[in-house]
Amino acid sequence: SQELEQSPQSLIVQEGKNLTINCTSSKTLYGLYWYKQKYGEGLIFLMMLQKGGEEKSHEKITAKLDEKKQQSSLHITASQPSHAGIYLCGADEDSGYALNFGKGTSLLVTP
Amino acid sequence: DTEVTQTPKHLVMGMTNKKSLKCEQHMGHRAMYWYKQKAKKPPELMFVYSYEKLSINESVPSRFSPECPNSSLLNLHLHALQPEDSALYLCASSQDRTLGAPRFGPGTRLTVL
Repeated sequence: SQELEQSPQSLIVQEGKNLTINCTSSKTLYGLYWYKQKYGEGLIFLMMLQKGGEEKSHEKITAKLDEKKQQSSLHITASQPSHAGIYLCGADEDSGYALNFGKGTSLLVTP
Repeated sequence: DTEVTQTPKHLVMGMTNKKSLKCEQHMGHRAMYWYKQKAKKPPELMFVYSYEKLSINESVPSRFSPECPNSSLLNLHLHALQPEDSALYLCASSQDRTLGAPRFGPGTRLTVL
């Protein structure tokens, strides 16, 4: 199965600043999923990307999947304290297989 | 109803106890999953049910026994657990294994003494 590398491992940004989190796979992915998790809680689904070059946005969060379907980025514009948490990318190599996850990126937004 | 519910929220058990974790969804999803998450680690897949049949078992020890009584319910029966099994257990569901992003429940925090 593929391994997903997320970077950075952790991030501290000042409120109002933009930030980007990356997720890279050694293999071509069938689908790439972004989730957010507060410590000790469940995962909140953010976005799913399946087509090479696809880009989706929701509120101030934009996710992109590259043409080769091996790298994705999550961009937050004008960050707010509510954006704090752990961001996880998940992926499946083949249709019908359950997700494997990257190690996560811990985001702290300071006032 | 657009959420996955899990009970109990917290569970403390001894190594000789038998307990069960429950997961429920009413979104008409036909794939359901159990994940285990240790502190500061990503979730790790344990089991996948597709149309109420076990389709993936990721070499999980037999002290964990999954059950899918119907399309809305998923149980995880626990017996003779070890302290290292203490973790957050997450249930998820999706339309089926090939459609839709899995939606996760809030998890059950399990402590084995």
